[in-house]
Parts: sequence; structure tokens; C-alpha cells
Amino acid sequence: DGGITQSPKYLFRKEGQNVTLSCEQNLNHDAMYWYRQDPGQGLRLIYYSQIVNDFQKGDIAEGYSVSREKKESFPLTVTSAQKNPTAFYLCASSIAGAQGEQYFGPGTRLTVT
Amino acid sequence: SQQGEEDPQALSIQEGENATMNCSYKTSINNLQWYRQNSGRGLVHLILIRSNEREKHSGRLRVTLDTSKKSSSLLITASRAADTASYFCATDANSGYALNFGKGTSLLVTP
Repeated sequence: DGGITQSPKYLFRKEGQNVTLSCEQNLNHDAMYWYRQDPGQGLRLIYYSQIVNDFQKGDIAEGYSVSREKKESFPLTVTSAQKNPTAFYLCASSIAGAQGEQYFGPGTRLTVT
Repeated sequence: SQQGEEDPQALSIQEGENATMNCSYKTSINNLQWYRQNSGRGLVHLILIRSNEREKHSGRLRVTLDTSKKSSSLLITASRAADTASYFCATDANSGYALNFGKGTSLLVTP
């Protein structure tokens, strides 16, 4: 899992509550990413950030928000507007965007009931 | 959007056998990458092959890329039970800064 940490590993929330997932990296990477993975599915891109104070929506950004105030941190907030938030969330970082390998954190499994 | 599609969806083999997984994609790429994911864990990068390369090796892994057919294959030779995992291909198409992942091939290697 390299130099990326995600916390917590398991998270439980009631419907209607916002929840923030943590992602920290000590690899000095400029680019960071958030993906969502549903059972038996591939990864879908939620948001990505190429540099501090800048981020772009991915394919499924609705109901999510991010911030990138520090190079090493890229927290993801799952808002109550996200209709089906239960999933496995993966954070990643890279030196060179899509031109090089991405380093993944261990993931956070979010369950909303 | 998911650019790559892996085939087969699931593969079951015995230790010592070779495992071959395929990936097809739709648009032009600069590179294609393969990742491995153990159950409930993050992804681990295996190998990156650039569009001007046809074959690449890393240990027991061999990756080929055919840009004319828009396809790639991952071969794991002399598989071990520890190779049991899901394998994903990812391409850099469309955005240039993010990767598009396929749905993966689930590999089971039995002793």
C-alpha cells in the first residue's frame, strides 16, 4: 500500500449524514485520485487533483466533494445527496498523472444504512 | 468511463499452470497498465507498457500490446496460490491525467 494511508478501514453511517474519508500520502506526489469500487466491478473515478488547490470531477462526482489544501492530503466527503454511497473507496496518488503508475491506499469500506 | 474490458471475467487454474488474461480498449492510448488487487485491499501496480512497445517482462509476468487490435494480454507463468487476486488493466485515454480501469479478471489458483 506504499506511502498512502486511508482511514478508517471500515465506516458505518446512517442515511442522511455526510461523512469524510481521509487520504494522506508522504510520497511527495502532485496528483491524487479518488475511486469508487462496487462488488465485482472495476474502479470508477470520482475526483482527481493534479496540484494543490485544484481538482476536477471524474465520471461519478455527483454527491461527492473534495478539497486539496495540502499536497499530502485529499479528503473525500460523501454527502447525503449521494443516492447509493455504500461502496469501497480507494485513494491513489501518482507523480505523472496517467503517464505513470498510481500508488493506492488500502481503501475504506463505507456502509450507509 | 471504463475504457478497458478484461476477458475472461473469471479464471480458475492449478498451481504451476500459466494464466492468460486479455484486455481490450476503444480509443488511442499512450500507455496501458496492469494492476493486481487482493480481496478487500488496494491495487498494486504490476507493469506499464507504452504504446510504442510490443512486449514487456517483469519476473513471471509477460505483457503484450497490440495497438492495431487495441488489445493487451497479461501472462502469468508458473502460477502460485499467492497469485490469486483480481487483475485490472488501465489506460490513460480520454483525460490524460486519470486512468480508466476495466472490470477486472478474477484469478483463482488452487494448490
